[in-house]
Amino acid sequence: AQRVTQPEKLLSVFKGAPVELKCNYSYSGSPELFWYVQYSRQRLQLLLRHISRESIKGFTADLNKGETSFHLKKPFAQEEDSAMYYCALRIIYSGAGSYQLTFGKGTKLSVIP
Amino acid sequence: DTAVSQTPKYLVTQMGNDKSIKCEQNLGHDTMYWYKQDSKKFLKIMFSYNNKELIINETVPNRFSPKSPDKAHLNLHINSLELGDSAVYFCASSLTRASYEQYFGPGTRLTVT
Repeated sequence: AQRVTQPEKLLSVFKGAPVELKCNYSYSGSPELFWYVQYSRQRLQLLLRHISRESIKGFTADLNKGETSFHLKKPFAQEEDSAMYYCALRIIYSGAGSYQLTFGKGTKLSVIP
Repeated sequence: DTAVSQTPKYLVTQMGNDKSIKCEQNLGHDTMYWYKQDSKKFLKIMFSYNNKELIINETVPNRFSPKSPDKAHLNLHINSLELGDSAVYFCASSLTRASYEQYFGPGTRLTVT
């Protein structure tokens, strides 16, 4: 069965320091990975997906199939990055043309001013 | 102009009761989802409907029954509530069953005493 692991429950960094939120997955098929973010008092929302390979709000994430990882990185943390971050794996559900997301437990990022 | 709304936001009830949580989206999306987030913060898919048709049905006790009167609404009815049902329930929607981005509601915190 597929699984997403985020080993850190809480990550605290100082403003301006680099950030790396870890995500590892296990899945026998071709993975499609995402990062979702939930800011305080806001809804869970998509931050980025591995296929697009773009930088969103300064964050990037590279899919490493050899290490089965999809770590989220930002070179210089800002206070507004403080939020809950969830890594998610999308897989086909029962071949019915629909997909399901499997989420990790999430990592709370706290950026210290 | 709320995209995905859920009612109620908080629900406190006693064991054995029956309760419903409602979800509505005004995005014109075809597909809607119910997730459960337990105390350990695991966000797990429960059900998904596409244009009123059930397409994802994960291992959920049959005390949980989703109902989709139209594609803009997906309600969750829970019979004979148990302590272990205490969780935050999130509704989400996506444009189609194949869309990679899901839009989440604010969540409903259910507490069973």
